[in-house]
Amino acid sequence: QKEVEQNSGPLSVPEGAIASLNCTYSDRGSQSFFWYRQYSGKSPELIMFIYSNGDKEDGRFTAQLNKASQYVSLLIRDSQPSDSATYLCAVISGTYKYIFGTGTRLKVLA
Amino acid sequence: EAGVVQSPRYKIIEKKQPVAFWCNPISGHNTLYWYLQNLGQGPELLIRYENEEAVDDSQLPKDRFSAERLKGVDSTLKIQPAELGDSAVYLCASSSDSGAYNEQFFGPGTRLTVL
Repeated sequence: QKEVEQNSGPLSVPEGAIASLNCTYSDRGSQSFFWYRQYSGKSPELIMFIYSNGDKEDGRFTAQLNKASQYVSLLIRDSQPSDSATYLCAVISGTYKYIFGTGTRLKVLA
Repeated sequence: EAGVVQSPRYKIIEKKQPVAFWCNPISGHNTLYWYLQNLGQGPELLIRYENEEAVDDSQLPKDRFSAERLKGVDSTLKIQPAELGDSAVYLCASSSDSGAYNEQFFGPGTRLTVL
């Protein structure tokens, strides 16, 4: 079992729809959870972080964390073609290791 | 505020040649990371520095890879000799600390091609 798992996609959604990206992790001691966006040929860019169970909203983005289920998700409302990218989930494990998933490729169709 | 700076941006070398990458982190960031990213994969940690100390190099292939951060600021990652399988993007990142709640910021990366 990988430490951080994501569906590689691609996830295709129409413009204006909600994109839902999911991530599961194996270390129950994990404390911090991050979402990075990576455009093709570019480096990862931090868009959201969440530390506590529940939802955290920032503009069109909402991160959701459920530690009991070891699950973190990212919702993108009113998806735009410019949101088309790979979204990387990252987790700081109980030993302070920063572990990335393989990413989910999102395509927003105009 | 300037971001993480890396050079070169691209490097093409023949196998068995040496290569070096340089990174300058965000000012004031004590923690520096080197990652390797293959196509379609997430970044994989090679080494993490706290100031000038390498605190996690468990994933660094020490037979051919080496790194240094002599004054606790800039860092250099070296491969000698390079192999075909080393072709990847090498990312440097920095954060203000290394605790449970640190946020990492990435440089643009160096794309290495080994022929």
